[in-house]
Amino acid sequence: AQSVTQLDSHVSVSEGTPVLLRCNYSSSYSPSLFWYVQHPNKGLQLLLKYTSAATLVKGINGFEAEFKKSETSFHLTKPSAHMSDAAEYFCVVSELKSNTGKLIFGQGTTLQVKP
Amino acid sequence: EAGVAQSPRYKIIEKRQSVAFWCNPISGHATLYWYQQILGQGPKLLIQFQNNGVVDDSQLPKDRFSAERLKGVDSTLKIQPAKLEDSAVYLCASSLARDSTSYEQYFGPGTRLTVT
Repeated sequence: AQSVTQLDSHVSVSEGTPVLLRCNYSSSYSPSLFWYVQHPNKGLQLLLKYTSAATLVKGINGFEAEFKKSETSFHLTKPSAHMSDAAEYFCVVSELKSNTGKLIFGQGTTLQVKP
Repeated sequence: EAGVAQSPRYKIIEKRQSVAFWCNPISGHATLYWYQQILGQGPKLLIQFQNNGVVDDSQLPKDRFSAERLKGVDSTLKIQPAKLEDSAVYLCASSLARDSTSYEQYFGPGTRLTVT
């Protein structure tokens, strides 16, 4: 069975400093991996996705993530945090079995950005 | 392009009552998903439709939850009777097709249900 583990439930950074949100995955197949962001009272929005092409994936708003098969990781990074980045972030794996497109979400990491 | 619409945005009911949520997906999207997001957790898929047919309802508590997508457009999710543990945000999402590597799922704002 596929699963994702987000290693930090809460991350706090100062504005202008780097962001690192950690995610490990478990999959019997070559996975498709995603990062979604959820701002308060707003719908989930796709930040970026990895689908077996380039291992370094660039997303919206300056975020990027690197797929490391040897470490089964897909950490999300951003060089410089902005106040508007404060939100809940979810690492997600797509269940390839049966090709239903089912998404399996991690528990989420709350990113706090301090001025 | 209009996004995924959901209503109501908030609902408070007592346990054992019934409740229904409505979702209008993005026009032309064949695949529709209902997720349950309990506080402090990631969303969990309840049911997935492809047009008006069910693709996956393996995690839907069928003794109390039901969903339909008549005509392959709008969808309704119902809970009857509600339990305290059903308190959660119910998210609707839609996509052009069910291949999640090729077609992004677009999420609505959700309905926050509180069962007292």
